Amino acid sequence: DVKVTQSSRYLVKRTGEKVFLECVQDMDHENMFWYRQDPGLGLRLIYFSYDVKMKEKGDIPEGYSVSREKKERFSLILESASTNQTSMYLCASSLPKISYEQYFGPGTRLTVT
Amino acid sequence: LAKTTQPISMDSYEGQEVNITCSHNNIATNDYITWYQQFPSQGPRFIIQGYKTKVTNEVASLFIPADRKSSTLSLPRVSLSDTAVYYCLVGASNNAGNMLTFGGGTRLMVKP
Repeated sequence: DVKVTQSSRYLVKRTGEKVFLECVQDMDHENMFWYRQDPGLGLRLIYFSYDVKMKEKGDIPEGYSVSREKKERFSLILESASTNQTSMYLCASSLPKISYEQYFGPGTRLTVT
Repeated sequence: LAKTTQPISMDSYEGQEVNITCSHNNIATNDYITWYQQFPSQGPRFIIQGYKTKVTNEVASLFIPADRKSSTLSLPRVSLSDTAVYYCLVGASNNAGNMLTFGGGTRLMVKP
């Protein structure tokens, strides 16, 4: 069974804090993704990684950075959290083609106050 | 970028067939069409994927016309547990992550 885990289900941070969201997958997938989900806007791709240390910007990368030092782990970093980054964050992984099925984690609901 | 458009919501009754259409007028030659299902407090889950014509699996069917500018997810005989949000995803078969586009999702409510 494919498993994608995220470090926290719920997180509350203050404006200006540095925030790390961690994602781990156990299927040896090359591709990993970070999305955010907001009511009425669906899922929007923040960043994508197709290999260790490789990354591509998605639709909304502003205010975020990512790190992939190991194949199984993909981190999303909010350098200075702002209230407009309050959202549900979803991590996913897949085999090396975009057309392949993505496996999603349970999500982290981040609240920035 | 292939933008997708779906109805915001749909209602149905148990035992009925449900068809959800996704419009993707700017779909590129190497784009695939994929549908995901999402329940509250969970990540999306893959349902079905296709490139052209018709694809069927144990859960759903996917109909794609020749021009590929739209696709229809068909759920046969829905039950209450099919109440969820359904997303249409159009993406390329290369590794360009910025080619991924999710639709806004269709909230399906199945009533008894």
